[in-house]
Amino acid sequence: DVKVTQSSRYLVKRTGEKVFLECVQDMDHENMFWYRQDPGLGLRLIYFSYDVKMKEKGDIPEGYSVSREKKERFSLILESASTNQTSMYLCASSLKIGQSSYEQYFGPGTRLTVT
Amino acid sequence: AQRVTQPEKLLSVFKGAPVELKCNYSYSGSPELFWYVQYSRQRLQLLLRHISRESIKGFTADLNKGETSFHLKKPFAQEEDSAMYYCALTHAGNMLTFGGGTRLMVKP
Repeated sequence: DVKVTQSSRYLVKRTGEKVFLECVQDMDHENMFWYRQDPGLGLRLIYFSYDVKMKEKGDIPEGYSVSREKKERFSLILESASTNQTSMYLCASSLKIGQSSYEQYFGPGTRLTVT
Repeated sequence: AQRVTQPEKLLSVFKGAPVELKCNYSYSGSPELFWYVQYSRQRLQLLLRHISRESIKGFTADLNKGETSFHLKKPFAQEEDSAMYYCALTHAGNMLTFGGGTRLMVKP
């Protein structure tokens, strides 16, 4: 059973703080993703990693960075949190192309509030 | 660029009524389409994918390339079908583009 865990369910930070969101998967998946989920906008991809130390920008990377030092762990970093980054953040993982029909497995989400 | 549109933010039906959640897409290549579902207080999960051509929990979806649609259908809605539904399209091999989502409410 695929398990994707996220370090926090709820997080409250102040404007300007540096924020780390952690995600861990236990199925040896190559691909990992960070999305933000907003009502009416659905899920929007922030960053994608297809291997350790490899990353690609998604649709909305501005204001975010990522780190993937180990295969099972993918971190999302908000360098200087702003109120417009208040959102639900979802992490996901999947096997890579050629081995799967691209099903992504999601974590429970982190609801971040920036005040 | 690829785009997925779910025109209804909210769909409300009575138990036992047919339900159709609409999804339209634009993509220049050969698409792979999916429906993901999020039940209350649960994580987002895959419901079905078009290449499987299977029925999951009574739901089916047919890819119509002429109309660029992938509507999700169920002949008789159940209360436990109430959830948030997202249509998604894969591109660049691994990445998904999601629609804005439709909240389905099935009333008793």
